[in-house]
Amino acid sequence: GENVEQHPSTLSVQEGDSAVIKCTYSDSASNYFPWYKQELGKGPQLIIDIRSNVGEKKDQRIAVTLNKTAKHFSLHITETQPEDSAVYFCAASKGSSASKIIFGSGTRLSIRP
Amino acid sequence: DVKVTQSSRYLVKRTGEKVFLECVQDMDHENMFWYRQDPGLGLRLIYFSYDVKMKEKGDIPEGYSVSREKKERFSLILESASTNQTSMYLCASSLSLLGEIEAFFGQGTRLTVV
Repeated sequence: GENVEQHPSTLSVQEGDSAVIKCTYSDSASNYFPWYKQELGKGPQLIIDIRSNVGEKKDQRIAVTLNKTAKHFSLHITETQPEDSAVYFCAASKGSSASKIIFGSGTRLSIRP
Repeated sequence: DVKVTQSSRYLVKRTGEKVFLECVQDMDHENMFWYRQDPGLGLRLIYFSYDVKMKEKGDIPEGYSVSREKKERFSLILESASTNQTSMYLCASSLSLLGEIEAFFGQGTRLTVV
């Protein structure tokens, strides 16, 4: 069946450095790729998303890239800050239906002061 | 702001009990979802509903059922709770199938079955 693999499972970076989280997906019909951030004690919250007709999208310190041929997409956080510490989930739509999405297993990002 | 509210943050139930998890959203969203979150497995879709009284199985529906009698409320039912259903349960809603598709999550219910 369709699946989304996410790496690494944990990531620790020095404050101010960049963090990169990578995901691969299996369903070639997937066309929507959101990223969610989950802070301690809260539900996940959408931070950025990208559709398959776009290769890159940026929003301030956050960027997402998509390689449809390789079925890879990545989250890049630059100039990391303590408030970036959280669990991050990548996801991909199940086929072309954006109402059903499959989540990766999550990355726990820690920012060292 | 969209608000998705789950009725309980923490629940402890006994094996064999019937358990109801309630979720309410206040933004008139068509779609509602129940996910289960386990370490190393991410979020797995249990059931979703795209309209009142409409439901569709997700990836792990076994042992669960759902009810959507009103647009704003989506209930997850564990017919006979088992210890392997100990988990964090997350409810979410989104506006429509196309267009505005961001999912808004509740804060989660941590269920322990003993």
